[in-house]
Amino acid sequence: QKEVEQNSGPLSVPEGAIASLNCTYSDRGSQSFFWYRQYSGKSPELIMFIYSNGDKEDGRFTAQLNKASQYVSLLIRDSQPSDSATYLCAARSGGRLGGTSYGKLTFGQGTILTVHP
Amino acid sequence: EAQVTQNPRYLITVTGKKLTVTCSQNMNHEYMSWYRQDPGLGLRQIYYSMNVEVTDKGDVPEGYKVSRKEKRNFPLILESPSPNQTSLYFCASTPTGFSEQFFGPGTRLTVL
Repeated sequence: QKEVEQNSGPLSVPEGAIASLNCTYSDRGSQSFFWYRQYSGKSPELIMFIYSNGDKEDGRFTAQLNKASQYVSLLIRDSQPSDSATYLCAARSGGRLGGTSYGKLTFGQGTILTVHP
Repeated sequence: EAQVTQNPRYLITVTGKKLTVTCSQNMNHEYMSWYRQDPGLGLRQIYYSMNVEVTDKGDVPEGYKVSRKEKRNFPLILESPSPNQTSLYFCASTPTGFSEQFFGPGTRLTVL
């Protein structure tokens, strides 16, 4: 079973709509979660991270974390064509303090989002 | 400018010809990683280093070697490349084990 699983895409939404991206993880020891955006042929860039249960908002983006359900989501409000990209969810493990796996980042397979005018 | 650099950005080679992809960061970060990205599989960690001379295998280390002799550099070595190592490779660094990762621009490798 994949450790970090994202909702299958591609996802297509009209401009101005809310895009909802979902992610589940299997490692209960995961301590923090990251959402990256990646444009085609480019490197991933961080959108936001979350480590506490609940919601975290940053501009048009809201990350939601539910550790009991092992579920992370990203909502993009007022979606714009420039938001069209692949979105990567990543979970960072706690690991063993001092161990080399401490803080290992595991990525999901990504969800392709297209925002059409 | 704070950045992670990779070289070369594009490389086409043949099976069995040893190659090295360099990675360098100027942010004095402790942690560095190598990932490969393939369609439908996301980013998969190849190797990981938490300090000079300290490295560990990631999820897909077979066929790769790394070294960390200096804090700023973390080269990826393919001793005998094979076509299944054709991929997009990213180097990344982070100041601590729990901070944002900063990615390099990527190296697109094709092994014929």
